Amino acid sequence: EDQVTQSPEALRLQEGESSSLNCSYTVSGLRGLFWYRQDPGKGPEFLFTLYSAGEEKEKERLKATLTKKESFLHITAPKPEDSATYLCAVRGGREETSGSRLTFGEGTQLTVNP
Amino acid sequence: EAEVAQSPRYKITEKSQAVAFWCDPISGHATLYWYRQILGQGPELLVQFQDESVVDDSQLPKDRFSAERLKGVDSTLKIQPAELGDSAMYLCASSPAPRGNTEAFFGQGTRLTVV
Repeated sequence: EDQVTQSPEALRLQEGESSSLNCSYTVSGLRGLFWYRQDPGKGPEFLFTLYSAGEEKEKERLKATLTKKESFLHITAPKPEDSATYLCAVRGGREETSGSRLTFGEGTQLTVNP
Repeated sequence: EAEVAQSPRYKITEKSQAVAFWCDPISGHATLYWYRQILGQGPELLVQFQDESVVDDSQLPKDRFSAERLKGVDSTLKIQPAELGDSAMYLCASSPAPRGNTEAFFGQGTRLTVV
């Protein structure tokens, strides 16, 4: 069974204070690790997909990295508008038995104060 | 920009009543998912469709939940009868590829409150 653990549960930063969010995963045959951003009362918004260890993706102030056991979402010089819950999800196993389901962690709630 | 459409956005229903949610995926997306998200937790898959066929419904409480995607386009998720523990956000998502590892795009969700 795929498992995803995110830490910390909540993170409060000052504007401009860089930090990282962690996503540890256990999966049989990784077929993708996904990062989403979710604002209160809304659906998750897709950010990145990573497929293999060593891969990195960047978008504005966000950078996602992947190892064989975990992924990090690095936030550089965050702004108040980066405040949201960041969700990590994995897709693993074989298509024939596991389909295309995403297994999500419980998220990290990020607050960036001005 | 193409989006996954869901309705209604909010629904309040009494315990034991029936409730239904509707989803229209991004045009051309063959794969459609229904997820349930309890406040403070990550989404959990209820059912996955490939075109009009169910691929994975192992987590769907089949005694009270049903889902259909008759023409392989839009989809309906039904709960009958609703229970207090069903209060959650119901999210629909779609993916462009019939197989493979592409990302899923989510709608804005339906917030269900059972009283």
